[in-house]
Amino acid sequence: GAVVSQHPSRVICKSGTSVKIECRSLDFQATTMFWYRQFPKQSLMLMATSNEGSKATYEQGVEKDKFLINHASLTLSTLTVTSAHPEDSSFYICSVLTGTKNQPQHFGDGTRLSIL
Amino acid sequence: AQKITQTQPGMFVQEKEAVTLDCTYDTSDPSYGLFWYKQPSSGEMIFLIYQGSYDQQNATEGRYSLNFQKARKSANLVISASQLGDSAMYFCAMRGGAGSYQLTFGKGTKLSVIP
Repeated sequence: GAVVSQHPSRVICKSGTSVKIECRSLDFQATTMFWYRQFPKQSLMLMATSNEGSKATYEQGVEKDKFLINHASLTLSTLTVTSAHPEDSSFYICSVLTGTKNQPQHFGDGTRLSIL
Repeated sequence: AQKITQTQPGMFVQEKEAVTLDCTYDTSDPSYGLFWYKQPSSGEMIFLIYQGSYDQQNATEGRYSLNFQKARKSANLVISASQLGDSAMYFCAMRGGAGSYQLTFGKGTKLSVIP
């Protein structure tokens, strides 16, 4: 199946820093990727849909100027958390739509972001 | 709007026994898909099994099977012969509508397998 690589796996940085997270589809060309956020002991909440070559579609309540998404190629989408604050600390995970039967999403390993 | 409900925050099962994790859903779309994912403590999401709303038979994948009862809007995951490595969070998710690929997740069930 498709392999999704997400980097970095963990980030600890100071408040005010911007952090970029990469999501790569290693053996599948992905026109659509998804970004989720997961607080401790909670479910995944969809933040945005990343579309190759066009603007991302953000879910209600997600600040697009805060969470910048770029999907410049068929294998790479990036999420940049701009001017991060402690409340942005969370687990961020991306997924890729595959072309296999029943269209399951395949997920990266996630990024644990801690803002001090 | 779509909704997934997992009513069991935590479950325990003896090693080698079978366990059922509950999932009910609500949607007005006639076409939808139901997924189960496993999330170990390391955080990655592992796809387990899929059931389409028009599938006539219950899905099976190795030790995983999905008990799909459309009229009751339930899609319970059955894990047979539980192993210690099955201890994890399990999420039920729905993809709704033709051409819609977004997933709506339930709150999850934490499964603990007892030796």
